[in-house]
Amino acid sequence: QSALTQPPSVSGSPGQSVTISCTGTSSDFGSYDRVSWYQQPPGTAPKLIIFEVSNRPSGVPDRFSGSKSGNTASLTISGLQSEDEADYYCSLYTSTSTWVFGGGTKLTVL
Amino acid sequence: QVQLVQSGAEVKKPGASVKVSCKASGYIFTGYYMHWVRQAPGQGLEWMGRINPNTGGTNSAQKFQGRVTMTRDTSISTIYMELSSLRSDDTAMYYCARKLDFYLDYWGQGTLVTVSS
Repeated sequence: QSALTQPPSVSGSPGQSVTISCTGTSSDFGSYDRVSWYQQPPGTAPKLIIFEVSNRPSGVPDRFSGSKSGNTASLTISGLQSEDEADYYCSLYTSTSTWVFGGGTKLTVL
Repeated sequence: QVQLVQSGAEVKKPGASVKVSCKASGYIFTGYYMHWVRQAPGQGLEWMGRINPNTGGTNSAQKFQGRVTMTRDTSISTIYMELSSLRSDDTAMYYCARKLDFYLDYWGQGTLVTVSS
């Protein structure tokens, strides 16, 4: 069982917004901003889309945004596009220098 | 540009070992920790361990301790992950990834390891 809990699936129509939650049980989660999000389209490697809770790497559209409140981090994708259809994973870098990942959320663009 | 290029797919029998390589380019190899993450078919991501390419020091997830060996060759900017005593549930895509601060900013393309008799 993952230390981070994500909904198995979410869906939305083109142009709409969706939010994926990521809830942690570790005390690390609320104490540090070490949450990152990864996008994984089918058959490809994961790609970093959000780091340190809310920062976007260069090249990631500003339609992708992240936030955190208490022990829950969230990824919001606004203005949904068909190419956003993918699996999304949250991750936490822990105080013991290990990684924990959420179970993943499959985003379907209707 | 940063690139991580992994070795090709492998098919192994139960009980055997597999060694996956990950060649880095486009940055100072010894400047960044490297991590290994695996993904079983249809499943999520699972952290396996890390190596410091500068010192060769390693840490692995408790689940893999005793079965995983991570090494590096600085002369060719390459890291290796060897997994022994393979079982059918080790069938997975294995990824190397570079760590920057508290996130994994670049990933290899993945190496599929299939364990089957």
